[in-house]
This record gives sequence, structure tokens and C-alpha cells, in this order.
Amino acid sequence: SYVLTQPPSVSVAPGQTARITCGGDSIGSKSVHWYQQKPGQAPVLVVSDDSDRPSGVPERLSGSNSGNTATLTISRVAAGDEADYYCQVWDSTSDQVVFGGGSKLTVL
Amino acid sequence: QVQLVESGGGLVKPGGSLRLSCAASGFSLSGYFMSWIRQAPGKGLEWVSYISGGRNIISYAASVKGRFTISRDNRQNSLFLQMSSLRAEDTAVYFCVRGGKLELMDAWGHGTLVTVSS
Repeated sequence: SYVLTQPPSVSVAPGQTARITCGGDSIGSKSVHWYQQKPGQAPVLVVSDDSDRPSGVPERLSGSNSGNTATLTISRVAAGDEADYYCQVWDSTSDQVVFGGGSKLTVL
Repeated sequence: QVQLVESGGGLVKPGGSLRLSCAASGFSLSGYFMSWIRQAPGKGLEWVSYISGGRNIISYAASVKGRFTISRDNRQNSLFLQMSSLRAEDTAVYFCVRGGKLELMDAWGHGTLVTVSS
């Protein structure tokens, strides 16, 4: 089955840029979506189809995808960005939705 | 306003059964894939199943295939998950989600907790 690999944790100082990676075999050929989940809340879609932002998502959040790595970039990080972030794809070979293990973003 | 409200969670013994429901409002269920996603306590997201708007496309995670059945009633605008032969490892918050397969999962319910324990 298809596997997505994320770093368990990412730490960044306020105002700096956070980059959360999502690794997978030829992930660049798939559409990657990113979700933000704050404690006690349901996940929220923040980036779709590699780099699109749903309405209401700040421009500070952006995505890219190439080769074997997709990346969620959060610029000018603030305390309110602290959350778990998950990448997700649909794997056509297995006909399954696949999530990465999640990355906890900590703002120092 | 799109809203998804899950119900039916609770405490069940290993080997038991439970049926989850999801009431949708603010949109017509028939036009969308719908999914169930679960999250074990302190763990990440795990996709469980999805069903197409026309109910002719269904897929399950290997961990639940043969034990769980997804269904929908477009007239009631509701989604269901029949769970049987439940195991301790099925303990999780179950989220009802609009989308799945190639459709964006762009609306999530708040989830319902299923606890499998003797």
C-alpha cells in the first residue's frame, strides 16, 4: 500500500517560515491535500490539489509538490498556527485514501 | 451553511456492533462522495471508507473490510456506517466527511467517539 511520510514535529520561531514535508513514491504525480487540526477540533482543509487554497485560508499558507516530496509552507508563523498538519492523497493502485502520519507544528 | 452531525457512538464490547449516522444539511448528499475517517486517541487520521453519490462506488480500508458497511440515504440526506465484529483497535473518534476518492474532503463533522472495551 502507498505510504506517506511526515516528520512527527516541526518547530519554528514566531515570524519565521515553517516547512512541513510529505514524502511518497512519485508523489509529484498525485494531487496532495493538506489539513490543519487544532486540539479538540475536526481537521480543516487548508491546501488542495498541491497548491490551491480554499476560500478563507491565508496566503501565508502555500503548497508545492514535485518528485517524491510535497511541502506545506507557512510564512510569518504565529501562535495561532500551532496545530497538527496532515497530508493526504488518493492512491489509484489500491483505490484508497491515504493520510500521512501528521506533523505537530510548535511555535517557539 | 454546510453542516455534518454524527451520532451513534458509544461504548461497546469487543465483538459487538454499532451503527453510526451522519445527518447532512446545507447541501445535497446525492451530489458528493462521502467518507468516514477515524482518529484513535492521540493518533493520526485514518481513512475508513467512502461511497459515491450514486452509491455504486464503494471502497474500504483493509483494516475494516468485511466488518464495516457504508451506506447512504439520499432522501434523508444521511450517511451511515454499520460496524460489526468490533475490536479494541477500532476505538476512535469517527468523522463524517464530504468528499473522498478524487473529491476534496472539504467539510467535516465534529466526530462521534466509539469505544470498544469490555
